[in-house]
Amino acid sequence: GDSVTQMEGPVTLSEEAFLTINCTYTATGYPSLFWYVQYPGEGLQLLLKATKADDKGSNKGFEATYRKETTSFHLEKGSVQVSDSAVYFCALSDNTGGFKTIFGAGTRLFVKA
Amino acid sequence: GAGVSQTPSNKVTEKGKYVELRCDPISGHTALYWYRQSLGQGPEFLIYFQGTGAADDSGLPNDRFFAVRPEGSVSTLKIQRTERGDSAVYLCASSFRKGTEAFFGQGTRLTVV
Repeated sequence: GDSVTQMEGPVTLSEEAFLTINCTYTATGYPSLFWYVQYPGEGLQLLLKATKADDKGSNKGFEATYRKETTSFHLEKGSVQVSDSAVYFCALSDNTGGFKTIFGAGTRLFVKA
Repeated sequence: GAGVSQTPSNKVTEKGKYVELRCDPISGHTALYWYRQSLGQGPEFLIYFQGTGAADDSGLPNDRFFAVRPEGSVSTLKIQRTERGDSAVYLCASSFRKGTEAFFGQGTRLTVV
């Protein structure tokens, strides 16, 4: 079945460092891809999404490009801030039938001042 | 309301007891989803409603779990004969329709002792 694999955390960076969180997926169809973020004490929030190959999702300085050839959707940010400390989840959804969203295990990011 | 509301926020119950978890979706959202998140894991899909009907219940782990949405708005997740392994955060999400962005509640933390 469909699945998402993302790099294990925690990831610890200094402020203004470059961030990459790797995500790869397995899907039988042509899913939409998402990054969700969970800040401490808050619910899951959609960070960005891409619905087809070569699309780039972006929000709050974060970017991810839907790469069909490598089945990847890596999250990047050029300069992280302390306020970016959170758990990041890569996810995919099946666009054919229902809308079952499948999540990766999450990557915890700590940003030090 | 302004967002997805889940009650209670925390529930402690004894093994073997019955529990109900409630989700109030965003007004006007026709699609509603339940997920379960165990510690250190990503959310795991349980069930998806489109209106009043369960369009996909393939994620419900066994027949102790049941969910309803009788009027197409509020949903209740019901767990019979709870087991310690049911302990997790139960998340609810809603979206305007299938395929659009899902908004998550803050979850109900269920602890079975």
